Amino acid sequence: AQSVTQLDSHVSVSEGTPVLLRCNYSSSYSPSLFWYVQHPNKGLQLLLKYTSAATLVKGINGFEAEFKKSETSFHLTKPSAHMSDAAEYFCVVSARKGGYNKLIFGAGTRLAVHP
Amino acid sequence: GAVVSQHPSRVICKSGTSVKIECRSLDFQATTMFWYRQFPKQSLMLMATSNEGSKATYEQGVEKDKFLINHASLTLSTLTVTSAHPEDSSFYICSADSGGSGGNTIYFGEGSWLTVV
Repeated sequence: AQSVTQLDSHVSVSEGTPVLLRCNYSSSYSPSLFWYVQHPNKGLQLLLKYTSAATLVKGINGFEAEFKKSETSFHLTKPSAHMSDAAEYFCVVSARKGGYNKLIFGAGTRLAVHP
Repeated sequence: GAVVSQHPSRVICKSGTSVKIECRSLDFQATTMFWYRQFPKQSLMLMATSNEGSKATYEQGVEKDKFLINHASLTLSTLTVTSAHPEDSSFYICSADSGGSGGNTIYFGEGSWLTVV
């Protein structure tokens, strides 16, 4: 079965410093992995996705994530945080079931960015 | 880019009434749509998978008679909360699978806030 574990429920950084949001996955086959961001009271926006191509995936807004099979990790990083990055971030794995793809969400990591 | 629209974005209804939420894929056809529920400060919980032209597949613990899902066309799925109660108040989000090779791309709606009073 597929699952994801987000290792930190809250992360707090100062503006201009690097961001690291950690995610480990469990999958019985080569997974599709995603990071989504959700701003308060809003829907979800896709930041990036990994689908068995390059292991380093670049997304929007300067975010990137590296797929590490040996560590079963897909951590999200950004070199320099901006105040507008404050939001909830979800690591997601796709599971194929019944002819369609089902998304399985991690518990989420709330990112706070301080001036 | 692909857009998924939900309507209404906010709705308040009286206890005991039913309320319908629509999810539309605006620029692609979606044979599969998903409905999620999100409690404050929590993750998304998949409620059901909506397949065009067939019955929805509900996740364990979700009452199918309570949450009616209809996927009438390739661009529209609806969620009807029947006989709503205050505990049904939540943020409901839909998503649509745009298909494609090399892995699915799923787009989310903006969500709908339901408040039952």
